[in-house]
Amino acid sequence: QQPVQSPQAVILREGEDAVINCSSSKALYSVHWYRQKHGEAPVFLMILLKGGEQKGHDKISASFNEKKQQSSLYLTASQLSYSGTYFCGTEDNNDMRFGAGTRLTVKP
Amino acid sequence: GAVVSQHPSRVICKSGTSVKIECRSLDFQATTMFWYRQFPKQSLMLMATSNEGSKATYEQGVEKDKFLINHASLTLSTLTVTSAHPEDSSFYICSARDLLKGVNYGYTFGSGTRLTVV
Repeated sequence: QQPVQSPQAVILREGEDAVINCSSSKALYSVHWYRQKHGEAPVFLMILLKGGEQKGHDKISASFNEKKQQSSLYLTASQLSYSGTYFCGTEDNNDMRFGAGTRLTVKP
Repeated sequence: GAVVSQHPSRVICKSGTSVKIECRSLDFQATTMFWYRQFPKQSLMLMATSNEGSKATYEQGVEKDKFLINHASLTLSTLTVTSAHPEDSSFYICSARDLLKGVNYGYTFGSGTRLTVV
């Protein structure tokens, strides 16, 4: 079952923040976050495994709620290079399914 | 590390012909590889899970006789689109994971194959 991802699209100015949400109707083994630039393959950003976990690097971080059904990706002080489509991926029963994606556009 | 090579990157074929797409894990062994299909501006839709040495597991609605998957070794999975039709035109992409890197590493994707059936 595909996770539900929102919003569909976000337009930001450089330096602004954004939050992307991903949810599932049942508890997950893990949640992944990927970014895909136009015409390229998705690139792994991070994985969350534990309920209540928060992790991040640079100005991109993510959380996983205690019930392991909801995750959020936080992009702070956005840069032009953050533009792309962000996908959450959820692992369940040894397969990997992706949300519909969030198209993020960062403008100067 | 964890490089996945996918070929070809682009292919144009005539309706009714077959096309083979290869996905190789270059520096790790992958007992499982996933095949996805992506339409423009849409998500990655899981087509099948490719398992080394056994039959692939197909998602509901994906014709196994049309999309033949072979995972003959720990580093190679192939997807063959048989008797291709224009509606099969899409971006096909594979992914695999280096389990030796541990649970905190995600999947690596191939660069994708843009298939156009004319």
